[in-house]
Amino acid sequence: DAKTTQPTSMDCAEGRAANLPCNHSTISGNEYVYWYRQIHSQGPQYIIHGLKNNETNEMASLIITEDRKSSTLILPHATLRDTAVYYCIVRPPRRSGAGSYQLTFGKGTKLSVIP
Amino acid sequence: SAVISQKPSRDICQRGTSLTIQCQVDSQVTMMFWYRQQPGQSLTLIATANQGSEATYESGFVIDKFPISRPNLTFSTLTVSNMSPEDSSIYLCSAASGGASYNEQFFGPGTRLTVL
Repeated sequence: DAKTTQPTSMDCAEGRAANLPCNHSTISGNEYVYWYRQIHSQGPQYIIHGLKNNETNEMASLIITEDRKSSTLILPHATLRDTAVYYCIVRPPRRSGAGSYQLTFGKGTKLSVIP
Repeated sequence: SAVISQKPSRDICQRGTSLTIQCQVDSQVTMMFWYRQQPGQSLTLIATANQGSEATYESGFVIDKFPISRPNLTFSTLTVSNMSPEDSSIYLCSAASGGASYNEQFFGPGTRLTVL
């Protein structure tokens, strides 16, 4: 079972920041938070991941609370192409063996970017 | 990054028949996986395709229904056997590597299967 809880859907105006929340209150100390997205009719795409520090890359920023029980994915300037289902996934570290490669997908958040 | 292709991209099949889906990765990878995505649902892991040995199946999935092969580090097949309408889904292949590429798992475009 997925260890995360996300809102079912969200809307965001084009050009504005999209803030997607995720609750992971049972996360273990060595588990990472990963975000993937799935654009319609495509396979999922990796976005970003983090352990406890905030992370930023060319796609997004990830803000993890100090207690690590929740996080927020931020798309700073949403475009229509960002319309997708966004999945927040808790994942063990690589050294945990073959099982650490597996991804357990929850229901995700369907983000609609509105013109 | 790894580029993954799947064949066929879609198919319509008759009840009781079998379909084999191919997954090709453009580089050698450590792990390959097969997922199912039923209509309107999230992805569910079917099995881990192990190179040179039997696949590792998740609860609810069995080898007789979903035989998997992985003859080398870049190729895998999933067969959906004795199909029924309940098998209508998108089947996705994914791949992951260790080292610096560990964090990113790559997915194929999926195979959309409709069983009549």
